[in-house]
Amino acid sequence: DTGVSQDPRHKITKRGQNVTFRCDPISEHNRLYWYRQTLGQGPEFLTYFQNEAQLEKSRLLSNRFSAERPKGSFSTLEIQRTEQGDSAMYLCASSSFLADQETQYFGPGTRLLVL
Amino acid sequence: AQSVTQLGSHVSVSEGALVLLRCNYSSSVPPYLFWYVQYPNQGLQLLLKYTSAATLVKGINGFEAEFKKSETSFHLTKPSAHMSDAAEYFCAVSGKGNKLVFGAGTILRVKS
Repeated sequence: DTGVSQDPRHKITKRGQNVTFRCDPISEHNRLYWYRQTLGQGPEFLTYFQNEAQLEKSRLLSNRFSAERPKGSFSTLEIQRTEQGDSAMYLCASSSFLADQETQYFGPGTRLLVL
Repeated sequence: AQSVTQLGSHVSVSEGALVLLRCNYSSSVPPYLFWYVQYPNQGLQLLLKYTSAATLVKGINGFEAEFKKSETSFHLTKPSAHMSDAAEYFCAVSGKGNKLVFGAGTILRVKS
């Protein structure tokens, strides 16, 4: 069973550009979470999906951020008009609603640097 | 609402010595508690979890943690540190929708 994968692993962009990250959860995991981790801090919750439905969004998720999970499988996180404050590690996690639902398995993360 | 406080942003131990990483939580509902480890430039790996069964939880790599409701604590221990244990450790509590609320992390340094 493969783990959670994220692509790309690293992204450098210029301020004002749009970026999109992808997360592929563990197969048959119907819950998918996005977190953001800045240097020296623990991860902070951004949003989560159950199947294709986005059930909760943190107030950290400004209107420049959008996440989708169109078919209940992979998810994308887009940041429009990036700002230097968006520089962080973006982590994706998945869990199964049916079994061991409280345990989230994390991907390797996408590290974003906004110049 | 849930919150986690990790006491000590940096902990340094000698190889072979006891590891103790402290975590206190706040939760308005019976908590699920977790310890994750993060190596540089990697994601989070689950070490162990408490989900209202046994209060002493054993995890991977010789780590264990004890849930103490009266002290609202979930401290992580390992009897004998190994060089490979050097990493950052995060305590987390599960909230609504099972979203995780993390502490700020503790960097463990192991001296030879």
